[in-house]
Amino acid sequence: GAGVSQSPSNKVTEKGKDVELRCDPISGHTALYWYRQSLGQGLEFLIYFQGNSAPDKSGLPSDRFSAERTGGSVSTLTIQRTQQEDSAVYLCASSSSGGLETQYFGPGTRLLVL
Amino acid sequence: GESVGLHLPTLSVQEGDNSIINCAYSNSASDYFIWYKQESGKGPQFIIDIRSNMDKRQGQRVTVLLNKTVKHLSLQIAATQPGDSAVYFCAEKDPSGGGADGLTFGKGTHLIIQP
Repeated sequence: GAGVSQSPSNKVTEKGKDVELRCDPISGHTALYWYRQSLGQGLEFLIYFQGNSAPDKSGLPSDRFSAERTGGSVSTLTIQRTQQEDSAVYLCASSSSGGLETQYFGPGTRLLVL
Repeated sequence: GESVGLHLPTLSVQEGDNSIINCAYSNSASDYFIWYKQESGKGPQFIIDIRSNMDKRQGQRVTVLLNKTVKHLSLQIAATQPGDSAVYFCAEKDPSGGGADGLTFGKGTHLIIQP
């Protein structure tokens, strides 16, 4: 069955460039999460969307990071003026309704900022 | 601040042996706990969960134990197989929410299965 998909799978960019990362959640899932995982580290929460509610942006590390979710489905994470410390794996997850529902993760986008 | 952590960053076991991965948590308000498995190059995959009104839950070859008195969570994997090699994360959920819908992940333990 279709799981969470993310694109691109890998992204190499130069410092100062903007990047967009895409997440396609499982169809019908109302909750969508973005995480960042640095090498050998755990998951750092970035942003959480639930239905039509205002997103929880409390995890975004700076104003260079932003995310949108259009039509309650696809989400785009944008990083402006990328820095080398932004290099990480960006993971997206979705769940059917948030709360105690299981989060299903995509394969991630590996971002390398040179 | 409150956090979820693991005692050992790397655990090496012989194929066929049982393994135990430990996790300490400090948020006494957490009422739901999850173990995830992350294989190299993939996203985390749900393994098993447990609610705070339970102290043990079993799945297929996996058992999660919860000791709320000492705020300790463990994942037991029976008869380990090469495919069990991965990083295992524990996560706790605070019902008051915040952040990732209240979910906080630990840093992970790398389980290595030796032939």
